[in-house]
Amino acid sequence: GESVGLHLPTLSVQEGDNSIINCAYSNSASDYFIWYKQESGKGPQFIIDIRSNMDKRQGQRVTVLLNKTVKHLSLQIAATQPGDSAVYFCVQGNMLTFGGGTRLMVKP
Amino acid sequence: DTGVSQNPRHKITKRGQNVTFRCDPISEHNRLYWYRQTLGQGPEFLTYFQNEAQLEKSRLLSDRFSAERPKGSFSTLEIQRTEQGDSAMYLCASSRTDLGNTIYFGEGSWLTVV
Repeated sequence: GESVGLHLPTLSVQEGDNSIINCAYSNSASDYFIWYKQESGKGPQFIIDIRSNMDKRQGQRVTVLLNKTVKHLSLQIAATQPGDSAVYFCVQGNMLTFGGGTRLMVKP
Repeated sequence: DTGVSQNPRHKITKRGQNVTFRCDPISEHNRLYWYRQTLGQGPEFLTYFQNEAQLEKSRLLSDRFSAERPKGSFSTLEIQRTEQGDSAMYLCASSRTDLGNTIYFGEGSWLTVV
């Protein structure tokens, strides 16, 4: 069956450093991926998405990379700030499967 | 655009009671989704609507769970005969299929069954 999973449950970074959150998927037919950020007690917040016809997409301080060969995507956050502390989910476009998320902790 | 709105934000109920949550999607969003999330887990898909049609409901957790979207705008999620295991956050989300179908979430409704 399809699955979307995350490599690391917790990532701790120093404020100002760059963060990289990884995600693997198993369904090679997946053509759309979304990254969400969820702060404690709140709903998931859309960060950035990418379609399978792209291998890179940039937003404000965030970059998503898609490697279809190894079925892997990553979210890069530049100059990580305390406000970036949250759980990050990658989700396939059909929205049926969330992984357990990666908790990003930013140390001041 | 006020975002996806969910009510009530918090609900405490006694075991065996029925509860209903309401979701108002973003204006003109034709799709509406319900998820459940427990502590430490990612959201778990339950069901979704396109306009008033419920296109997927096999993921609803049991026959005690039901959802409606009678006029293709707001939706309700009802849980009958609540059990302690139903305690969770219930998330609603919406999207517009003719504009990329990006899915936006509400802030969730917390249910505590005592």
